[in-house]
Amino acid sequence: ETGVTQTPRHLVMGMTNKKSLKCEQHLGHNAMYWYKQSAKKPLELMFVYSLEERVENNSVPSRFSPECPNSSHLFLHLHTLQPEDSALYLCASSPLASGELFFGEGSRLTVL
Amino acid sequence: GDSVTQMEGPVTLSEEAFLTINCTYTATGYPSLFWYVQYPGEGLQLLLKATKADDKGSNKGFEATYRKETTSFHLEKGSVQVSDSAVYFCAQRPITQGGSEKLVFGKGTKLTVNP
Repeated sequence: ETGVTQTPRHLVMGMTNKKSLKCEQHLGHNAMYWYKQSAKKPLELMFVYSLEERVENNSVPSRFSPECPNSSHLFLHLHTLQPEDSALYLCASSPLASGELFFGEGSRLTVL
Repeated sequence: GDSVTQMEGPVTLSEEAFLTINCTYTATGYPSLFWYVQYPGEGLQLLLKATKADDKGSNKGFEATYRKETTSFHLEKGSVQVSDSAVYFCAQRPITQGGSEKLVFGKGTKLTVNP
């Protein structure tokens, strides 16, 4: 148990669906992240929020839309996805300038 | 740009064998270096870290030494166990950082230890 909880753990959706991934942390951290993990590729940093403000958006397609309503919650809204978006989406949090990320168990997304 | 290269897997060992997973990095200056581990069905968790040259990080019998001369941070363990089966990720934290942690990860190396 790392203190970072992601739901749902598994999600199957069609290309026209709209769904959301949720991440919650009660570690008192001030930064939260979305990563994409695909087979045989490095982890891809998608979004970073620091003190609830988005500070990083690594050229992620607009069909992925993050939301950080407070320092404990992070969402990834999904719409009109493509099959190549199928992957494990990992949420993480960290104290500021600590050098350590705390990851959730991930949401396994399959786009049909 | 900043990057991390680690040995391709998968790596398969017998219990009590010696483990080395190679990791090299390219960076401006001297970044902090990390090894993260991902057990089956779980997220990544920090295994060990080193923040400056010649530092040795260690945890759970694993060790890695920050070598600036060879820009390397190889992971070693003298005697692996079945429970060490996981995917291991090398990562760096560039020195030009704000408050958030924009780590650069390698592709991961899958380790399987057989009884």
